[in-house]
Amino acid sequence: SAVISQKPSRDICQRGTSLTIQCQVDSQVTMMFWYRQQPGQSLTLIATANQGSEATYESGFVIDKFPISRPNLTFSTLTVSNMSPEDSSIYLCSVGRDTEAFFGQGTRLTVV
Amino acid sequence: QQQVKQSPQSLIVQKGGISIINCAYENTAFDYFPWYQQFPGKGPALLIAIRPDVSEKKEGRFTISFNKSAKQFSLHIMDSQPGDSATYFCAASMWTNAGKSTFGDGTTLTVKP
Repeated sequence: SAVISQKPSRDICQRGTSLTIQCQVDSQVTMMFWYRQQPGQSLTLIATANQGSEATYESGFVIDKFPISRPNLTFSTLTVSNMSPEDSSIYLCSVGRDTEAFFGQGTRLTVV
Repeated sequence: QQQVKQSPQSLIVQKGGISIINCAYENTAFDYFPWYQQFPGKGPALLIAIRPDVSEKKEGRFTISFNKSAKQFSLHIMDSQPGDSATYFCAASMWTNAGKSTFGDGTTLTVKP
């Protein structure tokens, strides 16, 4: 299994500001994934973070808006930049181990 | 283009009844089909998963039925309990990269006592 810790668990932010979300895994993993879950909706993959290389973004997500760092094999950050109310969502960190995906508890972001 | 379609959006079942949630996928490259259970304030947790080389997988009260030719799979919850009340997501991915999944829209299950 994998234990994933995310910080912060929730935050309320002013529009135009940025928030950095941290994700810590209890053991080394090659890839880490960032998902967004808008209120009452499904999970959408934002990007895949590999250690030592730039993150790979899915269609509709760009690095300027969601910069990602992956300094080592157990840690990653996602920044939500220049926030607007439309960015209000739950942001989830995930890792894959064997054939199972594990998720953190998520960061509930509200932009006002 | 949504690659995994899930229905129904919500489901109400009496305690002891059978809950059935359906999903359909489009990309035939997918070869791993998990179901996740999510409680409010928590991240999704793997419930049960299947690969396309079998048509059914059962774990306790939870069963996945898989129809490769129709590109459909379903979750059956037998003897549904109030504690099963949660949101259920189907997903599809590559066996070798389960962390990168395409999710269905989710089904909110309410089991009434």
